[in-house]
Amino acid sequence: AQSVTQPDIHITVSEGASLELRCNYSYGATPYLFWYVQSPGQGLQLLLKYFSGDTLVQGIKGFEAEFKRSQSSFNLRKPSVHWSDAAEYFCAVGATADYKLSFGAGTTVTVRA
Amino acid sequence: DVKVTQSSRYLVKRTGEKVFLECVQDMDHENMFWYRQDPGLGLRLIYFSYDVKMKEKGDIPEGYSVSREKKERFSLILESASTNQTSMYLCASMRGWGYTFGSGTRLTVV
Repeated sequence: AQSVTQPDIHITVSEGASLELRCNYSYGATPYLFWYVQSPGQGLQLLLKYFSGDTLVQGIKGFEAEFKRSQSSFNLRKPSVHWSDAAEYFCAVGATADYKLSFGAGTTVTVRA
Repeated sequence: DVKVTQSSRYLVKRTGEKVFLECVQDMDHENMFWYRQDPGLGLRLIYFSYDVKMKEKGDIPEGYSVSREKKERFSLILESASTNQTSMYLCASMRGWGYTFGSGTRLTVV
């Protein structure tokens, strides 16, 4: 069975600073990987996904993520954080056999002025 | 855009009640999912359905059941609500790895 670990429960970052959120996955086959964002009171919004090909993936809102098979990681980055990026971020791995998503515990990002 | 609508944003129910959480999607997706979201645990899959009248157990199905009589509607049922089912419940609809989530129902069982 697949699983996802997000080692950081909470990250505080200054506005304008860079952000990196860590994600490690466990899956026996080639993983389908996702990052979602959840703003307070909202549903989940897809930031980006990786299925195959270029291991550096560009997403919405200026986010990118890099797939590293050797490290079983799919870390999310943003060069310059805006106050509106304060939210909870979830990494997920998809099981290709049945379309199920398994999520990490989430990382809450606080942006300070 | 696909819309996934969950009928209630907030619900308060009593222990032992039978509770229905409703989810409707408007884009004819075959696949629908119910997740439970708890702090520090992320989202955990309760049940999912690939088509009308089909259902599959997810990772934490105990205490829950589902119904899918029509393609657009996927209902989550708490047979006898308990306080440990107090949580945020998220419904999702999907085709070809394009997931769309509803805004969630925050259920409190007292």
